Amino acid sequence: DGGITQSPKYLFRKEGQNVTLSCEQNLNHDAMYWYRQDPGQGLRLIYYSQIVNDFQKGDIAEGYSVSREKKESFPLTVTSAQKNPTAFYLCASSESTGRHSPLHFGNGTRLTVT
Amino acid sequence: RKEVEQDPGPFNVPEGATVAFNCTYSNSASQSFFWYRQDCRKEPKLLMSVYSSGNEDGRFTAQLNRASQYISLLIRDSKLSDSATYLCVVNRDDKIIFGKGTRLHILP
Repeated sequence: DGGITQSPKYLFRKEGQNVTLSCEQNLNHDAMYWYRQDPGQGLRLIYYSQIVNDFQKGDIAEGYSVSREKKESFPLTVTSAQKNPTAFYLCASSESTGRHSPLHFGNGTRLTVT
Repeated sequence: RKEVEQDPGPFNVPEGATVAFNCTYSNSASQSFFWYRQDCRKEPKLLMSVYSSGNEDGRFTAQLNRASQYISLLIRDSKLSDSATYLCVVNRDDKIIFGKGTRLHILP
């Protein structure tokens, strides 16, 4: 079955450490996205990528980095510069960034930094 | 004013009842619209797209009112399993804007 896989589901890190969240899709989608969700809050866009080797900052990119070396993969690194990294991170993909393409989400990674 | 707004709820509705909620958007250039459902501590899942003429999928009906700039979701014969947060999503150009969601609790 096609889908988006995020791993791990739960991740614990000490403050000051960088951590990389994995996102892989086999839907052959061009566009991929990273969102962050905090309790009681809406989704906020961190980064998105429309095509391999290209990505753009979203609304809250500071303290994060991404790469898009393969169509299937869009890993997110949460750096030590991110002041409040504890959150639920969601990766999504869509056929394109065209206006009629709905997003398909992975099942998320819950990151806790202490 | 936020670009996409939803009543956060919660809406507490008895099982079997019909419930409807709206989502308003501020930019008239918005082009496409979707409803997602999100269960507690899970990822959002696409419920349905919203088409200009309105569309139905089983117990769910979605409508778009461009003149008043809102979309609606109606759930008939509500089930306990319909309890979730319903997110409104609006696309404008390459931008995807999420509402903060409306929480729905179906009561036995």
